[in-house]
Amino acid sequence: DIQLTQSPSFLSASVGDRVTITCRASQGISSYLAWYQQKPGKAPKLLIYAASTLQSGVPSRFSGSGSGTEFTLTISSLQPEDFATYYCQQLNSYPFTFGPGTKVDIK
Amino acid sequence: QVQLQQWGAGLLKPSETLSLTCAVYGGSFSGYYWSWIRQPPGKGLEWIGEINHSGSTNYNPSLKSRVTISVDTSKNQFSLKLSSVTAADTAVYYCARRTTVTREVYYYYYMDVWGKGTTVTVSS
Repeated sequence: DIQLTQSPSFLSASVGDRVTITCRASQGISSYLAWYQQKPGKAPKLLIYAASTLQSGVPSRFSGSGSGTEFTLTISSLQPEDFATYYCQQLNSYPFTFGPGTKVDIK
Repeated sequence: QVQLQQWGAGLLKPSETLSLTCAVYGGSFSGYYWSWIRQPPGKGLEWIGEINHSGSTNYNPSLKSRVTISVDTSKNQFSLKLSSVTAADTAVYYCARRTTVTREVYYYYYMDVWGKGTTVTVSS
């Protein structure tokens, strides 16, 4: 199985801050990576797929980059509704796996 | 606007079989893979497996011996059965649509539509 790690696991930030989350894969996965946002008690919401393609309807302050084994999710200016947990997922090979998550909390 | 509505028993005893169903409303059923993902309390997401309209399945090897995913195309529904459950199977179970987009010769996948989740508790 391909293992994904995320860093940091937790970050405290303020509204307006630029936030970057890193996802690393245990082996190369090209650009077969998606990012999701999950709020408490809710299903995950797709933000980005193919490592850098913004899902329709997702604000442009979200962006993704990377390929191979290292990927980043960036929120250019954190908004109150962005406080949530973020997960990366590899869809390069079965079984599809998720990272452990990064919780973004209010500073 | 595609919506997934899921249901099933929420409280099971150890050794029983978990059974959940997900119905697809408002969109095409064919042309996609339909997935199950679970999330234990306070923990991360685990992909369980998927099925397409033809009944082709892919399972997580960690659960494969206990999992069956089936499809009913006449009702645009797909189902999950997980046998011999234990407390470790306590989780919120989500159904989701896996979409494929093609770019040049590459296929990219993502899960873009999710059900609301069903909480399943295994307790004696």
